[in-house]
Amino acid sequence: EVQLVQSGAEVKKPGESLKISCKGSGYFFPSYWIAWVRQMPGKGLEWMGIIYPGDSDATYSPSFQGQVTISVDRSINTAYLQWSSLKASDSAMYYCARQNGDFLFWEFWGQGTLVTVSS
Amino acid sequence: QSALTQPASVSGSPGQSITISCTGTSSDVGNNRVSWYQQYPGRVPKVMIYDDSKRPSGVSDRFSASKSGNTASLTISGLRADDEAGYYCCSYAGSSTYVFGNGTKVTVL
Repeated sequence: EVQLVQSGAEVKKPGESLKISCKGSGYFFPSYWIAWVRQMPGKGLEWMGIIYPGDSDATYSPSFQGQVTISVDRSINTAYLQWSSLKASDSAMYYCARQNGDFLFWEFWGQGTLVTVSS
Repeated sequence: QSALTQPASVSGSPGQSITISCTGTSSDVGNNRVSWYQQYPGRVPKVMIYDDSKRPSGVSDRFSASKSGNTASLTISGLRADDEAGYYCCSYAGSSTYVFGNGTKVTVL
């Protein structure tokens, strides 16, 4: 069974750094693209970026380029989303999602990680 | 890269059909595949349609979709109370990027 398990909720202060994770299981992790998706409170889904675990090739939405870093550790089947200096506006639910192997859609989703940034 | 345009809300009575539009450009919807996701409040999104009009196994055939030019559409037939949710389109936009629609809240009257 394919599963994406995300790290737990985080409460941080503005200016702090953060790295959240998404651990894949039940499939060959290197071969499937992983995306990160933001959902601000009461708002819609926003595609942030994507990474191919096989070669760590990452691409970002222009809206998020330079704001976050997407990385992967193939040895533990885990993808990451990190911030070097959080802002209050980064408060949101963050989902990771795995692409289907044959078609361009997000077939499996993590349970989400709620990030709250407040002084 | 702007969000694809969806109506903010669509409503219908039980048993009726409703259609949600998703308008993009030739850089995304017009020349790439579209998928649709259903999301209940506080829940994880679920794919309802992929490859413009294909239904994953387990998705009701009351959900159908099509595309014409730069606009994709999702139709829900035989509307039911449990169809009340948020719906998002998503398109590949080239160069390993994707874009979501701004989302549509479906209300069952």
